[in-house]
Amino acid sequence: EVQLVETGGGLFQPGGSVRLSCAASGLVVTSNYMHWVRQAPGKGLQWVAGIYTGDTATYGDSVKGRFTISRDTSNNTLFLQMSTLRVEDTAVYFCAREDSVEAFDIWGQGTMVVVSS
Amino acid sequence: QSVLTQPPSVSGAPGQRVTISCTGSSSNIGAGYGVQWYQQYPGTAPRLLIYENKNRPSGVPDRISASASKSGTSASLAITGLQAEDEADYYCQSYDDSLSGSVFGGGTKLTVL
Repeated sequence: EVQLVETGGGLFQPGGSVRLSCAASGLVVTSNYMHWVRQAPGKGLQWVAGIYTGDTATYGDSVKGRFTISRDTSNNTLFLQMSTLRVEDTAVYFCAREDSVEAFDIWGQGTMVVVSS
Repeated sequence: QSVLTQPPSVSGAPGQRVTISCTGSSSNIGAGYGVQWYQQYPGTAPRLLIYENKNRPSGVPDRISASASKSGTSASLAITGLQAEDEADYYCQSYDDSLSGSVFGGGTKLTVL
């Protein structure tokens, strides 16, 4: 069974850092296009970052320069390093696999990040 | 303000047909990028309903369909024979050239009356 499991969420202070993890089973993270998508409480979905062939990465404007997406072959895990956290980064963070036609066909259950003093 | 525009809400009685629109621009839908649709229940992850404008993954019932305007900037999702289980939030998604990334619509809450 293909599965993505996110961990690392919690309560963090503004200006702080956190690294989210997305452990994959049934698919190889380094062989797929992988993404992070977030959803603020009561709001819609927002694409955050994606990582592609050769580890090329792209970011949404609101996180560019603060967040870094990466992946680890040995643990088959996707990461999102979040720095200089802002209150507006509060959201459920989902990892997702992009299939060959730009569709996010596999999603994790999400991990909640709350940024508050 | 989302890059793709959806109506905040739609509603219909059981058995009826509803449609949800998704309007973009020349840098996303108008540039020929495919439109995807997702269904999301509260507290759960989104589920892919439609990919590449009109294709259903296995397991999605054929009373759910979608289309995109040829050489246009909009797409729509249609659900016929409405059922109570269709009550959820629906999101469209595409790729945007100017943003070099994926974009989502603001979401539409479907209420089954």
